[in-house]
Amino acid sequence: KAGVTQTPRYLIKTRGQQVTLSCSPISGHRSVSWYQQTPGQGLQFLFEYFSETQRNKGNFPGRFSGRQFSNSRSEMNVSTLELGDSALYLCASSLQSDQETQYFGPGTRLLVL
Amino acid sequence: KQEVTQIPAALSVPEGENLVLNCSFTDSAIYNLQWFRQDPGKGLTSLLLIQSSQREQTSGRLNASLDKSSGRSTLYIAASQPGDSATYLCAVSSRGNQFYFGTGTSLTVIP
Repeated sequence: KAGVTQTPRYLIKTRGQQVTLSCSPISGHRSVSWYQQTPGQGLQFLFEYFSETQRNKGNFPGRFSGRQFSNSRSEMNVSTLELGDSALYLCASSLQSDQETQYFGPGTRLLVL
Repeated sequence: KQEVTQIPAALSVPEGENLVLNCSFTDSAIYNLQWFRQDPGKGLTSLLLIQSSQREQTSGRLNASLDKSSGRSTLYIAASQPGDSATYLCAVSSRGNQFYFGTGTSLTVIP
């Protein structure tokens, strides 16, 4: 069974631009969560989607948004990029419940110049 | 807000040693706790998941325990190998599918 895939793997943008990251969960998984990882803050939860609905949201500004499609694939968008948005963005999928193991993708490394 | 702490931040041991990594959390009302490893520049690999009703889980040379009342978990690694070198993260699920992560323990196993 294929794992969680994320595209692109690396991205360089400049301040003020916007970016869209993509995550394809493991086949059959309906829950997708997004995390930001930085050296200073560690791993922080962004949001979680289940059946095309945002079920939980972390403490990030409105510039960070996401969506999930009917095939469970998810996208994350960051508008008006800031230098501090440079990070590794990870997505994780699970079957449907918070009682289950989360499987992480390899991440997208975003550099904002 | 749930806060997760991992001690020590870094650990270096000779090959073959048994070792223990610690994780503590402030809110005992958790759904589950999960241990991950992360290799440099890579994503996270799930090692063990302990449900809130369980006390421990084992997988090969790894054993994780959970004491909800005291807000603690330990990851025991037996007979460490150089391939175990990585950063180990614990995460607790307190509400929905939101995991709160610790800052990790960087483990180096010296051949």
